[in-house]
Amino acid sequence: DAKTTQPPSMDCAEGRAANLPCNHSTISGNEYVYWYRQIHSQGPQYIIHGLKNNETNEMASLIITEDRKSSTLILPHATLRDTAVYYCIVRVENDMRFGAGTRLTVKP
Amino acid sequence: EADIYQTPRYLVIGTGKKITLECSQTMGHDKMYWYQQDPGMELHLIHYSYGVNSTEKGDLSSESTVSRIRTEHFPLTLESARPSHTSQYLCASSEIGTVYGYTFGSGTRLTVV
Repeated sequence: DAKTTQPPSMDCAEGRAANLPCNHSTISGNEYVYWYRQIHSQGPQYIIHGLKNNETNEMASLIITEDRKSSTLILPHATLRDTAVYYCIVRVENDMRFGAGTRLTVKP
Repeated sequence: EADIYQTPRYLVIGTGKKITLECSQTMGHDKMYWYQQDPGMELHLIHYSYGVNSTEKGDLSSESTVSRIRTEHFPLTLESARPSHTSQYLCASSEIGTVYGYTFGSGTRLTVV
């Protein structure tokens, strides 16, 4: 049973912000939201995670709504190298289940 | 730089052969995982381990087996490879606890002919 819902694909212009949404309406109080990306067929790469507060690191920002039912990953200045599949994951117990993710295409 | 290593990176092997895919990590992580991913498709958890001598089957049924004799090493074995086993196999590790993320290896792309 799916814990997260993401759009299957999105486009973004190079240099613009990419905002990737994720719905997780059944999230529990102690479950973290994680974001990973997978470039081509490489192993997934960790981006960011959060519990209830907004988070920012050198790669991205994570905005979590107050009710925690959805979140948005923001890549502030997308480059062509950000083209990848982005996975939003709610950590279930101790294991991660990856859904289909969002295929982000950054266009020149 | 990666602290989790998978070998080989690519493998083409004939039907019926026994193969072992290697996964090692240098981070001292207790938890390790194997995922299977067909091209353009989702990752499916096939095996995981919470520590030495601990192994569990994941969501996707797999004919492969795993072992965890040392903390740093989590090999996956196929006793008799078949074309249906053709896929990418990704290994990951993490600390115990939901606050910790996974570190993935680069994967092994297996082709059985």
